[in-house]
Amino acid sequence: NAGVTQTPKFRILKIGQSMTLQCTQDMNHNYMYWYRQDPGMGLKLIYYSVGAGITDKGEVPNGYNVSRSTTEDFPLRLELAAPSQTSVYFCASSMRPGGGGKGTQYFGPGTRLLVL
Amino acid sequence: KNQVEQSPQSLIILEGKNCTLQCNYTVSPFSNLRWYKQDTGRGPVSLTIMTFSENTKSNGRYTATLDADTKQSSLHITASQLSDSASYICVVTPTLNTDKLIFGTGTRLQVFP
Repeated sequence: NAGVTQTPKFRILKIGQSMTLQCTQDMNHNYMYWYRQDPGMGLKLIYYSVGAGITDKGEVPNGYNVSRSTTEDFPLRLELAAPSQTSVYFCASSMRPGGGGKGTQYFGPGTRLLVL
Repeated sequence: KNQVEQSPQSLIILEGKNCTLQCNYTVSPFSNLRWYKQDTGRGPVSLTIMTFSENTKSNGRYTATLDADTKQSSLHITASQLSDSASYICVVTPTLNTDKLIFGTGTRLQVFP
């Protein structure tokens, strides 16, 4: 199993550009998440999905969009990139909500995004 | 407000020494608490998980403790190795079936030879 994979690893965007961060998991997990991690801050939940076709907002959804057409893929779309979106983005998946009970969330390696 | 606070922010120790990282939380209700290890440039990886009824959980040289009454947890690392250099993140789950976890800001540990 590859687990959770993310592409690209690093990207530089100009203000106003758009891009899609890709996330794929091969563990057949229903639950998938997008987080952002800023220096000195805890991970913040952007969007999450409880299954194909179902998504919901997290703590910091403004400026982002998601879709979940398959169990495996959960892309994150940035429209009109802004410097405030400079961050490291992590995708995660789990068998149960939030990892649930004694389970855990499995994280991808992250995408480092710089908006100039 | 649900919060998870970790201390110290950063820590430097010599290889072979022990260390203890702290996590205080104000999350209520409380379902479980996890410790994650995050290597530089990588995603977090789960080390331990404890429910509210568990006091301690070990994973090799890592031992986590939990005091649900005082809302404190600690992660003890024994006989540190260079590979222990990483950030350690405390994560609290408010209720059992929630997707919204509360993440601490992490402790950055550096182990020098």
